[in-house]
Amino acid sequence: DQQVKQNSPSLSVQEGRISILNCDYTNSMFDYFLWYKKYPAEGPTFLISISSIKDKNEDGRFTVFLNKSAKHLSLHIVPSQPGDSAVYFCAARANYGQNFVFGPGTRLSVLP
Amino acid sequence: NAGVTQTPKFRVLKTGQSMTLLCAQDMNHEYMYWYRQDPGMGLRLIHYSVGEGTTAKGEVPDGYNVSRLKKQNFLLGLESAAPSQTSVYFCASSLLGPSSYEQYFGPGTRLTVT
Repeated sequence: DQQVKQNSPSLSVQEGRISILNCDYTNSMFDYFLWYKKYPAEGPTFLISISSIKDKNEDGRFTVFLNKSAKHLSLHIVPSQPGDSAVYFCAARANYGQNFVFGPGTRLSVLP
Repeated sequence: NAGVTQTPKFRVLKTGQSMTLLCAQDMNHEYMYWYRQDPGMGLRLIHYSVGEGTTAKGEVPDGYNVSRLKKQNFLLGLESAAPSQTSVYFCASSLLGPSSYEQYFGPGTRLTVT
């Protein structure tokens, strides 16, 4: 049973609009979350993270929101650019020292 | 500075054959990891290493062996390949421990077992 779920396999957004990628988790012990971005034929690269003591973290055009009661986090990209077209993975860990558990990914397409 | 490199990029094996995937990093990282990625699933940790000469099992270790004889290299071995091992394999490294978000990934190896 997947502990980290990304229920939208794909998402298409117009350039300049907001992209919202969602992630749900089942393990209430998860305390640190991150997003990775992956282009074709490349390995994932770290994008942004959030600790469970926060409900929001912002880095330029990227903002991650965490709703612990709903066990839900989302990644907002504003404004979306064609170069943002990639697969986005959500990942979570339970306690420092544990390995991260990855979601299946959402493929984002930003249309010019 | 090449980061994390993986050899080979593609490989086709017949059931029962063996092979070794090589991962190399030039960042002097202590920790190294092997993941597999299958359609509709996230990256799953196969094995990892917390330093030269050490290895540990991850989430899906069965059918794989690893070795870390040198700090910069982490080898993943398949002794008797099975079709269920058809996947894309990613190697990663990090300066800090397994929970560090600073994992640097290689470009992946696409393995097909027929």
